Amino acid sequence: KAGVTQTPRYLIKTRGQQVTLSCSPISGHRSVSWYQQTPGQGLQFLFEYFSETQRNKGNFPGRFSGRQFSNSRSEMNVSTLELGDSALYLCASRQGVTEAFFGQGTRLTVV
Amino acid sequence: KQEVTQIPAALSVPEGENLVLNCSFTDSAIYNLQWFRQDPGKGLTSLLLIQSSQREQTSGRLNASLDKSSGRSTLYIAASQPGDSATYLCAVNQGGSEKLVFGKGTKLTVNP
Repeated sequence: KAGVTQTPRYLIKTRGQQVTLSCSPISGHRSVSWYQQTPGQGLQFLFEYFSETQRNKGNFPGRFSGRQFSNSRSEMNVSTLELGDSALYLCASRQGVTEAFFGQGTRLTVV
Repeated sequence: KQEVTQIPAALSVPEGENLVLNCSFTDSAIYNLQWFRQDPGKGLTSLLLIQSSQREQTSGRLNASLDKSSGRSTLYIAASQPGDSATYLCAVNQGGSEKLVFGKGTKLTVNP
C-alpha cells in the first residue's frame, strides 16, 4: 500500500513570495496533520485536518494556512515568506488516534 | 502544556552494544506514545506505538516501555548495528487531539 506522498520534495523561494505544499495521505486515512521542523525548534505542530475540517491549529501566524479536499489530500500555504520559514515541512496521515505515518517532507528554502 | 524531553541529545556507541534511549513527558494524561527514526534530510519512520494502557511493545531488536505515572518511556536497542545510526524521536499524543508533541530527539551513531 502506498505511503504518504508529499510534493514537491524541494523548493527555493524568495522572501515575500507564497508557496503551496501538497500531501496525499495513505488510502483510507482521513486525518492529515502538518509539522514544521527546524534545527532550533525541532518538530512543531502546524494544523490538523479531518474530513475537510481543521480540528486543531498550532501557534503559528496567520500566514500559514491549509485545507483538505474531499479525497483527503491536503495542502498548506505560506504567504509572504520570511527567511525564518526555511524548514522541512512534514505531513502525517492517520486513521483516528492511532499510529502516525509521515511523508518524506518538503524542504523549503527561503532566500 | 505538554513538554517532551529526550536525553541524551547525542550518543555514540560501538557496534554490537545494547543501548537505551530515554524520553520523559510532563503531563501523564497521554493517549499513546510513538517512537520514530529519522535519517538525515528524510521524513520520520514509525518504529513503535505504545497505547497508554500498555507497558511495552517489541519489534525485532527494539523494545519500548512506558511508565505513564512517572512520565517516562525508554527505547531499548539490542545488538546495535551501523545501520541503526539516525535520530530517534519520541512523541506523545494527548487525549482528545491527534496533535503529536515531540522531543528534540537523540542522535545515535553506531561505529563499526
